[in-house]
Amino acid sequence: KAGVTQTPRYLIKTRGQQVTLSCSPISGHRSVSWYQQTPGQGLQFLFEYFSETQRNKGNFPGRFSGRQFSNSRSEMNVSTLELGDSALYLCASSLGGRNEQFFGPGTRLTVL
Amino acid sequence: TQLLEQSPQFLSIQEGENLTVYCNSSSVFSSLQWYRQEPGEGPVLLVTVVTGGEVKKLKRLTFQFGDARKDSSLHITAAQPGDTGLYLCAGYIGTSYGKLTFGQGTILTVHP
Repeated sequence: KAGVTQTPRYLIKTRGQQVTLSCSPISGHRSVSWYQQTPGQGLQFLFEYFSETQRNKGNFPGRFSGRQFSNSRSEMNVSTLELGDSALYLCASSLGGRNEQFFGPGTRLTVL
Repeated sequence: TQLLEQSPQFLSIQEGENLTVYCNSSSVFSSLQWYRQEPGEGPVLLVTVVTGGEVKKLKRLTFQFGDARKDSSLHITAAQPGDTGLYLCAGYIGTSYGKLTFGQGTILTVHP
């Protein structure tokens, strides 16, 4: 069974731009969670989608948004990029509820 | 306030030594997961512990879940350079679906 895939793997943007990251979950998984990982803050939860509905949201500004499609693929968007948004963005898929989460390789975003 | 306290933060040992990483919380976890992450990659799930007092072994790695399901430990016997990486514990708190709460992580370096 194929694992979680994320595209692109690397992104370089400048302040003020926006970016869209994509995540394809493991086949059969309907839950996708997004996390931001930085050296100072560790892994911080952004939001979770299940069957196209956002069920949970972390403490991030409204510039961070996401969506999920009917095939469970998910996208995350960050608008008006700031230097502090530079991080490794990880998505994880699961069967939902409190099941195990399996992570993708991440997208490394650098904001200049 | 960190909901999941992980210690030590850094561990540098010689090949063949044993080590233990601790994960503690004042909250009760329905389950707790241990991950290992290499630089630039996503976390890889090592094990999930669910039952209080549970002990799971994965080759040279032994995972224990506390009786009260508030703490866990990871013990590595005869560490090898290939064990080098970031070890993370994570769990679900309360009814927060899709949101894993992570410890700060333990950076393990095993020198040959």
